Formats: sequence, C-alpha cells, structure tokens
Amino acid sequence: DSGVTQTPKHLITATGQRVTLRCSPRSGDLSVYWYQQSLDQGLQFLIQYYNGEERAKGNILERFSAQQFPDLHSELNLSSLELGDSALYFCASSVEGFFPLETQYFGPGTRLLVL
Amino acid sequence: DQQVKQNSPSLSVQEGRISILNCDYTNSMFDYFLWYKKYPAEGPTFLISISSIKDKNEDGRFTVFLNKSAKHLSLHIVPSQPGDSAVYFCAASEDTGRRALTFGSGTRLQVQP
Repeated sequence: DSGVTQTPKHLITATGQRVTLRCSPRSGDLSVYWYQQSLDQGLQFLIQYYNGEERAKGNILERFSAQQFPDLHSELNLSSLELGDSALYFCASSVEGFFPLETQYFGPGTRLLVL
Repeated sequence: DQQVKQNSPSLSVQEGRISILNCDYTNSMFDYFLWYKKYPAEGPTFLISISSIKDKNEDGRFTVFLNKSAKHLSLHIVPSQPGDSAVYFCAASEDTGRRALTFGSGTRLQVQP
C-alpha cells in the first residue's frame, strides 16, 4: 500500500459526459501527479501540482482539468468524454515535487470506461 | 513518435537466472532515466534510476546500465525471483524539475519457478 488513495476504483459513463476523479496523497506529500494509461498510448504524464499550484504540464487535453485543494487532495475533471478517454488514471504523490528526481508513490488507479 | 521504446513486450526467464530488460530512446536531451515495476491492479512502483552522468547504478538485485552513445539502457535482475513477475516500464526525462516523464510501453516479465 503506497498510501495514495484514489476514488472511485471504477467508473462507467457515456460519451459526452463529465466525471471527476479524486486523489488523496500520502500524508506529508505536497505534490500530486496525474497519469493516464491507455491501451494505445501507454502510460502518459498529464499534469503536476505542488501545494495547490500547477507546476508541470504533460499531454493533458483541453477537455481535462485538474486542481489541488488546500487540504492537498486533488481532482482530475474529464469533460465531453470520448470513447478514447477510456483508460486507467493514476495519481502519484511526492514530498516536495522535485520531479523526477524524487520518488513518486502511485495510487491503485481509477479505471474509466466510456461507452 | 515514441521517444522511449521497449521493443520486447514480454520476457520469460527461469528462477535464479538473470533477467535483462531493454529500453531505447531517441531524444538525446534525456538526462534522467527511471524503471518502474507494476503488478496487476496496482499502481507503478519506483524501482531504480540513473542520471546521464553515470553509466551504472546498482541497488541490491537490480542494476541499471546506461549507454548514452547507443541511447540504450537496460535493467538487470539477478537472481530473478517469481515475485519479480510484473510489467516493467522505463521512463526518461530531459529537464529535471520542469519536464514530464516519457514512458516506454512496458515489458511483461514472467519468472518461472
């Protein structure tokens, strides 16, 4: 158990809908990262937050957005969902966010299925 | 455009033997490399990393070798154990502190008892 929690574990929704994925980092970690793992694209970094501020951006679509709240939990919002958004979404956390030198601890992921 | 490639989708070795997982990259600006291990239904777990100023880093049974001229890195596991059976991802970064990790597609290692 990495100490990173993600909810929900599974999510099934329809095209055009909007969903929110939630992540709670390990106790004491200030930085969270979001990743997407899909069958055709593999594991891709989406975005990083450190203490509430966006720090690094990867291959995140404009339809997707994220934020980190004062209690350090983070949410990833996916809107206007398409079939191709079906994937496993991982959240990771680290202490200071010195990416990538610092070890990141991954949560178990949220499996999203868009029908 | 795959900047990090793991050309072997799977690998099977006998318990006690050496496992060698390979990774090639195309971006010569990559200067930090990591290996992650992933079990089913779990998130990836960091295994070992190497900076481009080194050509080898060792941690217990795991050693990562970096050949910058060939843009190639490999992970050696000696001796292999059944518990090592997992998917292994290599990842690379070109600018520590600011840029994203680019991952390979993974290699599934099966260690036969």
